[in-house]
Amino acid sequence: EVQVVESGGGLVQPGGSLRLSCAASGFTFSSYEMNWVRQAPGKGLEWVAYISSTGNTIYYADSVKGRFTISRDNAKNSLYLQMNSLRAEDTAVYYCARLLVTYYYMDVWGKGTTVTVSS
Amino acid sequence: SSELTQDPAVSVALGQTVRITCQGDRLRRFYASWYQQKPGQAPVLVIYGKNNRPSGIPDRFSGSNSGNTASLTITGAQAEDEADYYCNSRDSNGNHPLYVFGTGTKVTVL
Repeated sequence: EVQVVESGGGLVQPGGSLRLSCAASGFTFSSYEMNWVRQAPGKGLEWVAYISSTGNTIYYADSVKGRFTISRDNAKNSLYLQMNSLRAEDTAVYYCARLLVTYYYMDVWGKGTTVTVSS
Repeated sequence: SSELTQDPAVSVALGQTVRITCQGDRLRRFYASWYQQKPGQAPVLVIYGKNNRPSGIPDRFSGSNSGNTASLTITGAQAEDEADYYCNSRDSNGNHPLYVFGTGTKVTVL
């Protein structure tokens, strides 16, 4: 079964750090580009970061640039999101999603992991 | 503008047809994809490309595109189609942000 499973969420104080992981299975992870997407409570979906299949090309949303780092380990079939200098507005459910580049759409999503930034 | 704009909410009678639109400049260059999200659940892809449905998505869902507008149509809406719907599109490398989601449309089936 093709799936991605996020983990690593939790409660963290403002200014703190957290590392999210996304474990992929059922497909050749190294062949796919990936996105992180988040959703704050009661809000819409927000694209967070993109990484190419090799990890050589990376893009971020302005809201996280300079604080978050996306990376991947193709040998471990895993995607990561290192989140530093966390703010209350980073509180959200974080999803990883597989990208299909034929038409640039996200066809496989995890169930998400919840990050709460609060003192 | 890099935004994708959607109507906040629409309602449709059971069995009738509803169209949801998504407007933005980047849609002149790239197709939109559409995602259905029910409360407490992850988004689910329903339409991608010109008008393609993933396996398992009913054929009452269809997509269309014209200029800077993408549309998702539900023909013969069912109770289970009540959900939030988001469009998404990327832009050319170097244009920022690379990906953007629409503001979302809440569909209520009456």
